[in-house]
Amino acid sequence: AQSVTQLGSHVSVSEGALVLLRCNYSSSVPPYLFWYVQYPNQGLQLLLKYTSAATLVKGINGFEAEFKKSETSFHLTKPSAHMSDAAEYFCAVTGANNLFFGTGTRLTVIP
Amino acid sequence: EPEVTQTPSHQVTQMGQEVILRCVPISNHLYFYWYRQILGQKVEFLVSFYNNEISEKSEIFDDQFSVERPDGSNFTLKIRSTKLEDSAMYFCASSERSWGQGTDTQYFGPGTRLTVL
Repeated sequence: AQSVTQLGSHVSVSEGALVLLRCNYSSSVPPYLFWYVQYPNQGLQLLLKYTSAATLVKGINGFEAEFKKSETSFHLTKPSAHMSDAAEYFCAVTGANNLFFGTGTRLTVIP
Repeated sequence: EPEVTQTPSHQVTQMGQEVILRCVPISNHLYFYWYRQILGQKVEFLVSFYNNEISEKSEIFDDQFSVERPDGSNFTLKIRSTKLEDSAMYFCASSERSWGQGTDTQYFGPGTRLTVL
């Protein structure tokens, strides 16, 4: 069965600091993995996706994630946080015809 | 850039009433989905739809729920007799292909917030 676990429901970083949001997955088949972002009162926007090509995936807004099979991880990083990065971030893994989401990590950026 | 749209943005209803949530998927997409997010919880899959049929549904999607593509553009979710626990944000999504045909991305609408009183 497919599932993802996001460690840390809340993460706070200072503006300009490194952002690291953790996601570990479980999948019975080679996974496709996604990060979505949800800004307040908005829908889900795709940040990036891993589809078995390069293990380091670059997304929008300066975010990237690295697929590590040995660690079953797909952590999201950004070298320097911006105030506009404050949002909820969801990791997801594909099922047969759907996505399984994690519980989300709320990122707060402190000025 | 094409996007998924949903109406209404907020729906308030009395318990036991029927509601219909509407979605307009991206025009060349063939696969449609509904998800929900109860406040403070994770996004949960409800149902996927292709070729005018349900292709997969979760345990949440019981007999109170139904989906329909009434015309060439709309995709609807109906809840026949709403319960308090149906209060949630409901997201529609669409994709051009399904996973079985190679990877594809699900594009999400902004959601409809359903409040059942």
